[in-house]
Amino acid sequence: KAGVTQTPRYLIKTRGQQVTLSCSPISGHRSVSWYQQTPGQGLQFLFEYFSETQRNKGNFPGRFSGRQFSNSRSEMNVSTLELGDSALYLCASSLAPGLAGGRTDTQYFGPGTRLTVL
Amino acid sequence: ILNVEQSPQSLHVQEGDSTNFTCSFPSSNFYALHWYRWETAKSPEALFVMTLNGDEKKKGRISATLNTKEGYSYLYIKGSQPEDSATYLCALGSQGNLIFGKGTKLSVKP
Repeated sequence: KAGVTQTPRYLIKTRGQQVTLSCSPISGHRSVSWYQQTPGQGLQFLFEYFSETQRNKGNFPGRFSGRQFSNSRSEMNVSTLELGDSALYLCASSLAPGLAGGRTDTQYFGPGTRLTVL
Repeated sequence: ILNVEQSPQSLHVQEGDSTNFTCSFPSSNFYALHWYRWETAKSPEALFVMTLNGDEKKKGRISATLNTKEGYSYLYIKGSQPEDSATYLCALGSQGNLIFGKGTKLSVKP
C-alpha cells in the first residue's frame, strides 16, 4: 500500500507571497491532519479534515487555511508569507477522525514539505 | 495548555548498549499516548499507541510502558544498533489531535 505523499518536497518563496501544499493520504484513509515543525519546536497541530470538513483547528492565524477534496486529498494554503513561516509541514492520514475527547487511532505521516521564506 | 515533555533531549550510546527515555504528560483526562520514530529525511514512523494504565508494548528490541496515574511513559531499546539512530517522539492523543513533545535524539555509534 502506498504511503502518504506530499508535494512539493521543497519550496522557496518570498515574504508576502502565498503557497499551496498538497497531501495525498493512504488509500482508504479519510482523515488528514497537518502539522508544522519549526527549529526548536515540536510538531504543532494546524488542522484536521475529514469528509471535506474541517473538524479541528490548532492555534494558528487565519493566514493558514486548508481544504479537502472528495477523494480525501488535502491542500493547505498559507497567504501573505512571513519569515517565521519557514518550517517543515507534515501531513498525516488515518482511517477515522480524531475524537473530541482524544486521539486513539494511529496517524501515518508523509515525508513533509520544507518551506523556506526569504 | 497541555504540555508533553521528553527527556533527555539527546543521547549518545555505543552499539550494544541498552537505553531508555522518558515522556511526561498531564495525567488528567488521558486518552492515548503515541510513540513515533523519525529518521532524518524520512517520515515519522508509528511505533506504539497505548491507552491503558500499565500497558506494555513491544516491537522487536523496542518496548514501551505507560503509567497514566503519574503521567509518564518509558521507551526502551535493548542492544542499540546504528540503525536505531533517530529522533523518538511521544505525543498525547488529545482533543482530536496529537500534542507532541520535542523528542529525544538518539545517536548510536558503531
